[in-house]
Amino acid sequence: NAGVMQNPRHLVRRRGQEARLRCSPMKGHSHVYWYRQLPEEGLKFMVYLQKENIIDESGMPKERFSAEFPKEGPSILRIQQVVRGDSAAYFCASSWDQGEEKLFFGSGTQLSVL
Amino acid sequence: GENVEQHPSTLSVQEGDSAVIKCTYSDSASNYFPWYKQELGKGPQLIIDIRSNVGEKKDQRIAVTLNKTAKHFSLHITETQPEDSAVYFCAAPRTGGFKTIFGAGTRLFVKA
Repeated sequence: NAGVMQNPRHLVRRRGQEARLRCSPMKGHSHVYWYRQLPEEGLKFMVYLQKENIIDESGMPKERFSAEFPKEGPSILRIQQVVRGDSAAYFCASSWDQGEEKLFFGSGTQLSVL
Repeated sequence: GENVEQHPSTLSVQEGDSAVIKCTYSDSASNYFPWYKQELGKGPQLIIDIRSNVGEKKDQRIAVTLNKTAKHFSLHITETQPEDSAVYFCAAPRTGGFKTIFGAGTRLFVKA
């Protein structure tokens, strides 16, 4: 049984392009969290989603960033009109239940904006 | 809001020595305290956790202690090995589990 799957592992975009990051949670998990990690820094919460619902997006920038977790398929983190400051590692985590504090992380997507 | 402070930011030890990493938190309602290990190029992985009704928990060479009064908890690694070299994060989920707040991380180097 695969763990949390993220793709692509590496994504290179030019300024102004769109970046789409995908995350498939562990089997049986219906709660997805996205975190951003800058070099030499910790993990910053972005958004928490359940199937078809955004529960907490307090860590997400108000513009250019959006996230979804459709009924079928992976969760998507979308960054429109990327800028150099968006370059970072983006990690997805999943949990079985809302009250389950244990997070299972994917290997991340390294976004580089040229 | 919840704040988690972690010290030190970098720790270098000789193989076989012990390593201790400390975290403090601000939300007195927090009741679950995990530690994650992140190896180069990988996502964080849970290595040990403790709940507020327990003062100490041990799993082979790693242990976590909790002082609820002082609002701090620590990770202890004994008999360190080179493969323990990684970045370690403490965390404190907000009440309700919506958001886990991570410390800034400790980069541990174990010298052979």
